[in-house]
Amino acid sequence: AQKVTQAQTEISVVEKEDVTLDCVYETRDTTYYLFWYKQPPSGELVFLIRRNSFDEQNEISGRYSWNFQKSTSSFNFTITASQVVDSAVYFCALSGLSGSARQLTFGSGTQLTVLP
Amino acid sequence: DAMVIQNPRYQVTQFGKPVTLSCSQTLNHNVMYWYQQKSSQAPKLLFHYYDKDFNNEADTPDNFQSRRPNTSFCFLDIRSPGLGDAAMYLCATRSGAGNQPQHFGDGTRLSIL
Repeated sequence: AQKVTQAQTEISVVEKEDVTLDCVYETRDTTYYLFWYKQPPSGELVFLIRRNSFDEQNEISGRYSWNFQKSTSSFNFTITASQVVDSAVYFCALSGLSGSARQLTFGSGTQLTVLP
Repeated sequence: DAMVIQNPRYQVTQFGKPVTLSCSQTLNHNVMYWYQQKSSQAPKLLFHYYDKDFNNEADTPDNFQSRRPNTSFCFLDIRSPGLGDAAMYLCATRSGAGNQPQHFGDGTRLSIL
């Protein structure tokens, strides 16, 4: 069985602060994929990143960065110099390779509020 | 340019009155999904199509049905909506190759009177 845990239900920061969203996962698969999605108040889920289990390189995209650590089963997401537009619910998700494991298993989401 | 389009954006129906939500895609993806998302919760998968093959999640109520007449379109039919069916309904698509990310539409927010 697959499981994704986002222990932080809500986070509030002031604009320009850095913030890290935690994600811990469980899977028995040796090959799997991890994702982050952003859901702004308007409701659509916006894909941010996909990472496969064999690629532990950290990734940076503008103000966003991701830290994948297989040893601790974590895939954390950091926003540097946060902005009000970053306010959203962020979901971490996991999928395996075959059958029902290919479906996305979502974490419960972290509501991020960036205050001006 | 919108690639996964859901109509309508907001839908209001009466208790017990059938309702249909629609989803179309311009990505030519094999796989289409329907999710239900209630307030402050993660999306919950209802069913998905891989091409024409329909896959129902074990806990999806019988009240929910789906149709996929062609690659581009997929419909969610709720035969007799109850108050508990009020939610955001999200459609997503994915290329059948590998574990490509799912692309989501803007969702339809369904209210039941």
